[in-house]
Amino acid sequence: DIQMTQSPSTLSASVGDRVTITCRASQSISSWLAWYQQKPGKAPKLLIYKASSLESGVPSRFSGSGSGTEFTLTISSLQPDDFATYYCQQYNSYLWTFGQGTKVEIK
Amino acid sequence: QVQLQESGPGLVKPSQTLSLTCTVSGGSISSGGYYWSWIRQHPGKGLEWIGYIYYSGSTYYNPSLKSRVTISVDTSKNQFSLKLSSVTAADTAVYYCARANIPQGAFDYWGQGTLVTVSS
Repeated sequence: DIQMTQSPSTLSASVGDRVTITCRASQSISSWLAWYQQKPGKAPKLLIYKASSLESGVPSRFSGSGSGTEFTLTISSLQPDDFATYYCQQYNSYLWTFGQGTKVEIK
Repeated sequence: QVQLQESGPGLVKPSQTLSLTCTVSGGSISSGGYYWSWIRQHPGKGLEWIGYIYYSGSTYYNPSLKSRVTISVDTSKNQFSLKLSSVTAADTAVYYCARANIPQGAFDYWGQGTLVTVSS
């Protein structure tokens, strides 16, 4: 099974900061990587699919990059609404796996 | 706008079978290009994919749960269902139904989630 490892687990940042979250796959997944934002008590929300494609309606301050085994989610200028937990997710050979999550906290 | 809604008991006794249904509105479950999926989240923890079904009835399950999981579809009702047998307290979680967009390789629509507690 493919394992997904996110870093850091927790990130403290201020409004306006540039934030980067990393996700590593235990084997190559090409570009089959998605990113989600989850707020307490809510379902996850899709932000990025196929590593770098922005889901419709998602602000352009969110961007994704990478391929193979290493991927990043970048928030170019952190906004108050962005404090949440972020998950990466891979799709390979009919199986889907999530990373353990990165909590973005107010500094 | 596609919407998904989970329904089912919020409390299940140990050793019994957890049963949930997801009703899809705003789109047909018989549309190709999507896997209709179940995902769970243990309290305060991360997300775990349980499995999915295609409208044709083809299924694929998380190997760690495969022996206890059955996912079925009722296209006439635009619903799909989850059964998880022999539950224990470790199966206490929020259960989400979601649509997996195959070309995107991502879950683009989610239900609101339903908490299922396993307790006697």
